[in-house]
Amino acid sequence: DAKTTQPNSMESNEEEPVHLPCNHSTISGTDYIHWYRQLPSQGPEYVIHGLTSNVNNRMASLAIAEDRKSSTLILHRATLRDAAVYYCILSYGWAAGNKLTFGGGTRVLVKP
Amino acid sequence: EPEVTQTPSHQVTQMGQEVILRCVPISNHLYFYWYRQILGQKVEFLVSFYNNEISEKSEIFDDQFSVERPDGSNFTLKIRSTKLEDSAMYFCASTKGGQRNTEAFFGQGTRLTVV
Repeated sequence: DAKTTQPNSMESNEEEPVHLPCNHSTISGTDYIHWYRQLPSQGPEYVIHGLTSNVNNRMASLAIAEDRKSSTLILHRATLRDAAVYYCILSYGWAAGNKLTFGGGTRVLVKP
Repeated sequence: EPEVTQTPSHQVTQMGQEVILRCVPISNHLYFYWYRQILGQKVEFLVSFYNNEISEKSEIFDDQFSVERPDGSNFTLKIRSTKLEDSAMYFCASTKGGQRNTEAFFGQGTRLTVV
């Protein structure tokens, strides 16, 4: 599995944007970039995914570098509820049957 | 909103006993998974299941583990003879399938404590 590198932790103030970087320099052409998050004492939760183009949904935006060797998850206005561990995961191909390989993720702390 | 449900939320068992963890995936989903997370560690893939058979399993998923979809709704993980190191949160997940449906839905987990 292609590897991702994320900072261990980040802090943000409530209602400010949060930019979470992820490096994936060994990404292959068929790897999708997925982001999940895990709130305290809960199961992982899907956030967003993309292949080449930037993506937006109600939770976040995903900005993918032109060479695809890095990406950034953007939470536009952090709330206290966004405090979680955020995982950047590469998944080979688009097949839904592919497993997710979780790394250590970035622990996001949101300060009121 | 549809969700994956897991029971029980917490299971305490004695070492050497068999346990069955239960999951009800989202009804129109086709791919099913078990993951585990030892306290303070990463979420680890155990097994994936599609079309009534295992499609992939990790090194963790040895002969002590088995999965089953006994009916149209339940998906179970059995550990035949539990060890202390099996203590962890176990998460079930499911996906619908298809190119635009790779989102995995996870349950809230079962905390297994082996004593």
